[in-house]
Amino acid sequence: EAGVAQSPRYKIIEKRQSVAFWCNPISGHATLYWYQQILGQGPKLLIQFQNNGVVDDSQLPKDRFSAERLKGVDSTLKIQPAKLEDSAVYLCASSLVPQVEAFFGQGTRLTVV
Amino acid sequence: TQLLEQSPQFLSIQEGENLTVYCNSSSVFSSLQWYRQEPGEGPVLLVTVVTGGEVKKLKRLTFQFGDARKDSSLHITAAQPGDTGLYLCGGATNKLIFGTGTLLAVQP
Repeated sequence: EAGVAQSPRYKIIEKRQSVAFWCNPISGHATLYWYQQILGQGPKLLIQFQNNGVVDDSQLPKDRFSAERLKGVDSTLKIQPAKLEDSAVYLCASSLVPQVEAFFGQGTRLTVV
Repeated sequence: TQLLEQSPQFLSIQEGENLTVYCNSSSVFSSLQWYRQEPGEGPVLLVTVVTGGEVKKLKRLTFQFGDARKDSSLHITAAQPGDTGLYLCGGATNKLIFGTGTLLAVQP
């Protein structure tokens, strides 16, 4: 069974630029999560989808971050414009049953300079 | 806002020692999940506890869910260098949130 795929693995951008991350969850997993992880800290939930609907986006900075999962499968997370404090690893995860056994991708390491 | 606090934040021990990591919250969770994350990788699930007071064992790791389903602990017996990593507890309600993390280093 293929795991959660994320791309790119690494991205370096200048502040005020825009960036997009892509995630393809495990086939059949209806729940998809995006997390932001600062080095050495726990992942912070940005947004959780159930199929193509949003379950929770209370921690998503909506003035600069957006996410979509139009067909209920893969998802994109966008930042526009980026700030220095957005430097982090962005993790995508999926699960068959909501909130149960999340499978994670390797993440995208974003550096904003 | 739901929060999961883990302690200690960092732990450096010698091979063969025992240790306990704690995960505490003021919120009630339907389940508590423990993950381990290695550098450059995403977290990987170790165990899920669902029932208050439940104890699960995974080789040298023992996990316990508090009676009120607000807290959990992870005990490692005779730690080995391969146990090194970031340990995360995850709490499930209508969403899945993670604790602050415990970075464990086991020295040979």
